[in-house]
Amino acid sequence: DTAVSQTPKYLVTQMGNDKSIKCEQNLGHDTMYWYKQDSKKFLKIMFSYNNKELIINETVPNRFSPKSPDKAHLNLHINSLELGDSAVYFCASSQAPGNTIYFGEGSWLTVV
Amino acid sequence: AQSVSQHNHHVILSEAASLELGCNYSYGGTVNLFWYVQYPGQHLQLLLKYFSGDPLVKGIKGFEAEFIKSKFSFNLRKPSVQWSDTAEYFCAVNPTGGGNKLTFGTGTQLKVEL
Repeated sequence: DTAVSQTPKYLVTQMGNDKSIKCEQNLGHDTMYWYKQDSKKFLKIMFSYNNKELIINETVPNRFSPKSPDKAHLNLHINSLELGDSAVYFCASSQAPGNTIYFGEGSWLTVV
Repeated sequence: AQSVSQHNHHVILSEAASLELGCNYSYGGTVNLFWYVQYPGQHLQLLLKYFSGDPLVKGIKGFEAEFIKSKFSFNLRKPSVQWSDTAEYFCAVNPTGGGNKLTFGTGTQLKVEL
């Protein structure tokens, strides 16, 4: 069983569209994250939720909106997609803030 | 804010060669330290971590890392690499008590040749 699963794995879409990436973890963790990996493989945190509450919100355009319906889920919605949004988006979770982080398999987003 | 430097961006080794990847961080307080590996087309997997105690930590697949506090370093080592170790390696730092802003280095691309 995949501990942190995210869908879709691959997504190709046109500029201006709105898309969502879903994430679920079955580890019983309280904290979930979204990370972005750019074309140079640089990883940067975007958001973090603890017990469904937003605790980290890095400098991310407000076109990106995370939603955590419960502790096991953290979805990422992106409005008005731009070419620069093309990246791999990794969902992750940890038992608590500061603990070891476990990553999902990534969602490869390509905006054309 | 903390930062992480990985000085080797690309490393090419022959099988059975020894490996050492450098990682230095800047942060004034105590930190938790991690090495993650990303095989081609795959997600990040935890190799090893240091929270406290023995500064020499052993991870999966024969990897180890040593935390040298005075040098703000957490270098990754493996005595004898295999072709299957070809991957991207990321060092990461998380300040203790500072929330959960895991900060990654820029990664080191390791290629092991037969």
